[in-house]
Amino acid sequence: GDSVTQMEGPVTLSEEAFLTINCTYTATGYPSLFWYVQYPGEGLQLLLKATKADDKGSNKGFEATYRKETTSFHLEKGSVQVSDSAVYFCALSSGGNEKLTFGTGTRLTIIP
Amino acid sequence: GAVVSQHPSRVICKSGTSVKIECRSLDFQATTMFWYRQFPKQSLMLMATSNEGSKATYEQGVEKDKFLINHASLTLSTLTVTSAHPEDSSFYICSARGLAGGRTGELFFGEGSRLTVL
Repeated sequence: GDSVTQMEGPVTLSEEAFLTINCTYTATGYPSLFWYVQYPGEGLQLLLKATKADDKGSNKGFEATYRKETTSFHLEKGSVQVSDSAVYFCALSSGGNEKLTFGTGTRLTIIP
Repeated sequence: GAVVSQHPSRVICKSGTSVKIECRSLDFQATTMFWYRQFPKQSLMLMATSNEGSKATYEQGVEKDKFLINHASLTLSTLTVTSAHPEDSSFYICSARGLAGGRTGELFFGEGSRLTVL
């Protein structure tokens, strides 16, 4: 079945550091890939997505590229801010259905 | 953006009692809602899919008689944990799909409800 493996946390970085959160997947067919973010006390929000190979999703300075050859969708940001502190979830949907398969989540803390 | 609200955010109950968690879409109509369960340090696991006016579709291994789901209107779905036991303690999250601001089909998530069964 489908699965998502993402970098275990927690991750702690200093402000303005470079961020990478790794995410790899296994799925049948050609899944759509997502990154969701959950800020403290709030629900998950869609951060970015990519629906086909080599697509790059981007939002709020974050980027992730759909790499079919390595089955990866790593999340990156060049310069993180304290306000980026949150839990980040990698997810996929495949087979044309609307169900999401999530990774375990990575808690990110940015210190000033 | 679209808002999905869950209530209560935290609930503590005694073993053997039933607990109801509500999921409301505040500014859009949700034809489909999903209920997830999250264990500590684990991913969100889909429990069931509910469609307004019809029976919920449960994932394999989820007891439908224990986790009762009712999607009585286009803005409200409820999850009732019946005869709760300590092993049912978990973080329950709902999501809703519908038309919101022109973003057809996007999923919106509630804040989650933490259930603790003593």
